[in-house]
Amino acid sequence: AQKVTQAQTEISVVEKEDVTLDCVYETRDTTYYLFWYKQPPSGELVFLIRRNSFDEQNEISGRYSWNFQKSTSSFNFTITASQVVDSAVYFCALSGGAHSGTYKYIFGTGTRLKVLA
Amino acid sequence: GAGVSQSPRYKVTKRGQDVALRCDPISGHVSLYWYRQALGQGPEFLTYFNYEAQQDKSGLPNDRFSAERPEGSISTLTIQRTEQRDSAMYRCASSPGPGRGYTFGSGTRLTVV
Repeated sequence: AQKVTQAQTEISVVEKEDVTLDCVYETRDTTYYLFWYKQPPSGELVFLIRRNSFDEQNEISGRYSWNFQKSTSSFNFTITASQVVDSAVYFCALSGGAHSGTYKYIFGTGTRLKVLA
Repeated sequence: GAGVSQSPRYKVTKRGQDVALRCDPISGHVSLYWYRQALGQGPEFLTYFNYEAQQDKSGLPNDRFSAERPEGSISTLTIQRTEQRDSAMYRCASSPGPGRGYTFGSGTRLTVV
């Protein structure tokens, strides 16, 4: 069975601090995809990143970076120099590959990030 | 269209009534997905389509829930004989093909009173 665990329910940081959001996943698939989405207070789900299981390179996009480690089944997300606008709920998600026959996402329960001015 | 469009944005219905939620995906997107998100939770998969074919409906909670996408574009999620526990945000997403990243719509907030 597939499962995504985001153990941090809520994190509060002061503006300009760095913060890491943890994501641990379980899957028996050898090919799978991992995602992060942001849900700001307005409620929409904003796509941040997609990573396939064969690509373990870390990714950096501006103040955002992602660390994918298959050995620990983790796909952690770091925001550098956080800003108030980063305040949102962040979801990690997992989906199977072509051989699994389905592309449904399994979402974690989310981490609420509060960045205080 | 430019994004995934869902209507209505909000729906309040009385228990026992049927509701139909509409999703208009991004033009040309082959795959369409329905999710339900309860307050404080992550989205939960309901069903998905490739073109007009319903590929997976394993997430539909019971037979009161059904979905269709007759022409491979617009999709409708229908809930019959609504119950209070059906209250949630219903989200539609589309992608260019299986395994590609989704774009989610703004959702329909359903409240059953």
